[in-house]
Amino acid sequence: ILNVEQSPQSLHVQEGDSTNFTCSFPSSNFYALHWYRWETAKSPEALFVMTLNGDEKKKGRISATLNTKEGYSYLYIKGSQPEDSATYLCAVSLIKAAGNKLTFGGGTRVLVKP
Amino acid sequence: DGGITQSPKYLFRKEGQNVTLSCEQNLNHDAMYWYRQDPGQGLRLIYYSQIVNDFQKGDIAEGYSVSREKKESFPLTVTSAQKNPTAFYLCASTGAGVNQPQHFGDGTRLSIL
Repeated sequence: ILNVEQSPQSLHVQEGDSTNFTCSFPSSNFYALHWYRWETAKSPEALFVMTLNGDEKKKGRISATLNTKEGYSYLYIKGSQPEDSATYLCAVSLIKAAGNKLTFGGGTRVLVKP
Repeated sequence: DGGITQSPKYLFRKEGQNVTLSCEQNLNHDAMYWYRQDPGQGLRLIYYSQIVNDFQKGDIAEGYSVSREKKESFPLTVTSAQKNPTAFYLCASTGAGVNQPQHFGDGTRLSIL
């Protein structure tokens, strides 16, 4: 079974500060990594899908990097705002995984304090 | 607006009872998925379907059943064989092509009476 780990499980950030957290996965047979943002009482929303080693993606103040050789991805939030409070999920798919199956990590819960 | 609709939002099950969770999408997506979330854990795949009239077991299929008679619908039945059904259930779909993101519904919370 593919093991995807996210750390930390939760973190508190002061408004205006920047932060980052990690998603780790086995590098063998890696195919793609997804990041999702899940706000309370809403459905998870896709942020990025990344496939290439060294890939960097950005959406507003949120960006992500990918290292497929060592098996990790970082998600960065620059100048955190209260609306960034959410659980951030990463998920990985493997080469030849039927049905584009994803294995999810446990999530990092971010709370931005005003 | 296109999206995924799950119903009901909250569901209660008595011991020995089967219950069915609804998932409907109007995104014209071929693939659909059911996940379960327990406190402190990530989403775990129960069943998935890549095309109408076909579906496969995920990592935790025991005690669950699905059907895919229509492209837009993928209902999940939690049977009495599922001994620990209390959880949050999410349905998702994805469009054609590799590395497409998944689109999620709002979820159903199932509890035991």
